[in-house]
Amino acid sequence: AQRVTQPEKLLSVFKGAPVELKCNYSYSGSPELFWYVQYSRQRLQLLLRHISRESIKGFTADLNKGETSFHLKKPFAQEEDSAMYYCALKGWGGKLIFGQGTELSVKP
Amino acid sequence: GAVVSQHPSRVICKSGTSVKIECRSLDFQATTMFWYRQFPKKSLMLMATSNEGSKATYEQGVEKDKFLINHASLTLSTLTVTSAHPEDSSFYICSASSRWDEQFFGPGTRLTVL
Repeated sequence: AQRVTQPEKLLSVFKGAPVELKCNYSYSGSPELFWYVQYSRQRLQLLLRHISRESIKGFTADLNKGETSFHLKKPFAQEEDSAMYYCALKGWGGKLIFGQGTELSVKP
Repeated sequence: GAVVSQHPSRVICKSGTSVKIECRSLDFQATTMFWYRQFPKKSLMLMATSNEGSKATYEQGVEKDKFLINHASLTLSTLTVTSAHPEDSSFYICSASSRWDEQFFGPGTRLTVL
């Protein structure tokens, strides 16, 4: 089965606090995982992918195959980070399987 | 960067009519385009995958006769919602990718069926 689970619908933190958005996946094979972000009234855009191992806007995510997780982290949240975040798995045929999404709200 | 456009951005139609949504890759050739449906603050649900020049592959539970997809060229795919009903009201998003590359998303089309 191919599945992505984001257990938190809403995550609310204060500015400057650490953030961790959880993502677990189910996939038989070597997974390719992504985090997408959707700011208010804007299109979905790629935030990062695990194969590039880069940090974008201070966010990082490490693939943990043992725990089948790909949690998104940022040490110090900013107000402009408030958005919907989607974890996605590339499945067969190149199609993306999205998690339910987590709304991150960063309060001043 | 790669840009994907959708037209129209929003449409309101009467129940029973058909609506066509266009998805264009503006600066690259898209061998594959994907159509998603998104409910408010919910996940994106893949409806179908379309490859240029061939029939679309629909996901389980998506009615192919209701959601007609055409991918006539490497830069254009269309989704036609036939005989639309209020339950078809949703946000429809397309994405485009070249072979095995990243998917680039369109801005979405808000469909409201009265």
